[in-house]
Amino acid sequence: SQQGEEDPQALSIQEGENATMNCSYKTSINNLQWYRQNSGRGLVHLILIRSNEREKHSGRLRVTLDTSKKSSSLLITASRAADTASYFCATQTGANNLFFGTGTRLTVIP
Amino acid sequence: DTGVSQNPRHKITKRGQNVTFRCDPISEHNRLYWYRQTLGQGPEFLTYFQNEAQLEKSRLLSDRFSAERPKGSFSTLEIQRTEQGDSAMYLCAGRLAGGPGEQFFGPGTRLTVL
Repeated sequence: SQQGEEDPQALSIQEGENATMNCSYKTSINNLQWYRQNSGRGLVHLILIRSNEREKHSGRLRVTLDTSKKSSSLLITASRAADTASYFCATQTGANNLFFGTGTRLTVIP
Repeated sequence: DTGVSQNPRHKITKRGQNVTFRCDPISEHNRLYWYRQTLGQGPEFLTYFQNEAQLEKSRLLSDRFSAERPKGSFSTLEIQRTEQGDSAMYLCAGRLAGGPGEQFFGPGTRLTVL
């Protein structure tokens, strides 16, 4: 079964607005990662946050992690049409494979 | 570009046929993963290799599935006696030795079983 669950399932915003998507998971983790997938393409790694970190930034991306609530959020600021994609959180519980959520489909309207 | 390539990109086959997919990671990827993704879902883990050793297999990987990484470089995933339920995108990912954990995905092979 999938480890993570993203919320909302779909999000539509105007270009320039901020987009926030959330991820909840079930078990203890080593790290949590966010990936982007454009239509028909492979996944691209965006950002990794370790279990002992609470917040991380990368360009227009901001990720938070609350291990007590087993949740994470991804904020994309000043969105662009090119940000239109599906966003997945993925948890790593050991040294090995990732458990992906069901994804949030983001549409940025020009 | 992650440097991970997969072939073929698309495969259409009839039920009952065998298919084989190939994944070529970059040389620095000592770990290689296979995932399956169906429409509207996130990828699901199938199996992973560290160098040439297959260290973990998911319960999703039935007896009809087999994967190899003979020299610790490229990998193949074979599905025997395909079923319509095998239709999915099959993704391969590499991971750098000593890296923090991010995986670098190939473009995937889309399998359609008629």
